[in-house]
Amino acid sequence: QVTLRESGPALVKPTQTLTLTCTFSGFSLSTSGMCVSWIRQPPGKALEWLARIDWDDDKYYSTSLKTRLTISKDTSKNQVVLTMTNMDPVDTATYYCARIRDYGDLLLDYWGQGTLVTVSS
Amino acid sequence: QPVLTQSSSASASLGSSVKLTCTLSSGHSSYIIAWHQQQPGKAPRYLMKLEGSGSYNKGSGVPDRFSGSSSGADRYLTISNLQSEDEADYYCETWDSNTRVFGGGTKLTVL
Repeated sequence: QVTLRESGPALVKPTQTLTLTCTFSGFSLSTSGMCVSWIRQPPGKALEWLARIDWDDDKYYSTSLKTRLTISKDTSKNQVVLTMTNMDPVDTATYYCARIRDYGDLLLDYWGQGTLVTVSS
Repeated sequence: QPVLTQSSSASASLGSSVKLTCTLSSGHSSYIIAWHQQQPGKAPRYLMKLEGSGSYNKGSGVPDRFSGSSSGADRYLTISNLQSEDEADYYCETWDSNTRVFGGGTKLTVL
């Protein structure tokens, strides 16, 4: 059974750096074809893809946010970490991690429950 | 990169059927998409992968009432025998090797 759970601060101040952790089970990021992505959703708005990390440590970022994002993994802990610098109130959103399995089609097939991050002074 | 266009809202009566549309941008009509359901206050849930041929593969536990089809750049999600729990936001998603894109979502109201 695949599960993912996001954790991190519920409140950050403007200009601070946000660090979120995705802890997962039911698959391993050391297995060929496994990937994890981060996606966010501002209140009442649509989903926005942020970043992806692959089993071979390849990393991909949203073009509009790439200068602020860093994604990394700790395979031994089954965790993926996302950092986002210089947080702004417009970054207030629910942040989700999700599994992507690359069996030739990079399919996003499992979501975490999400964690709401509010940016406010 | 591809762009996905969805109607902002749709409605249908309990027990009826509804067909939601996701349109791929020019030059991307062959892309595979996925449909995700987001019930109020919940995380999204993967429903199915849908190819340009109309072939689809559903996620675990997705009811038979959900099906997919394609025509050109349009990808469809059909929900038959609508239930109250089908009232949700529905997002289509596509991707290439280094990026992913979501549509703006369709809010489905079950009357």
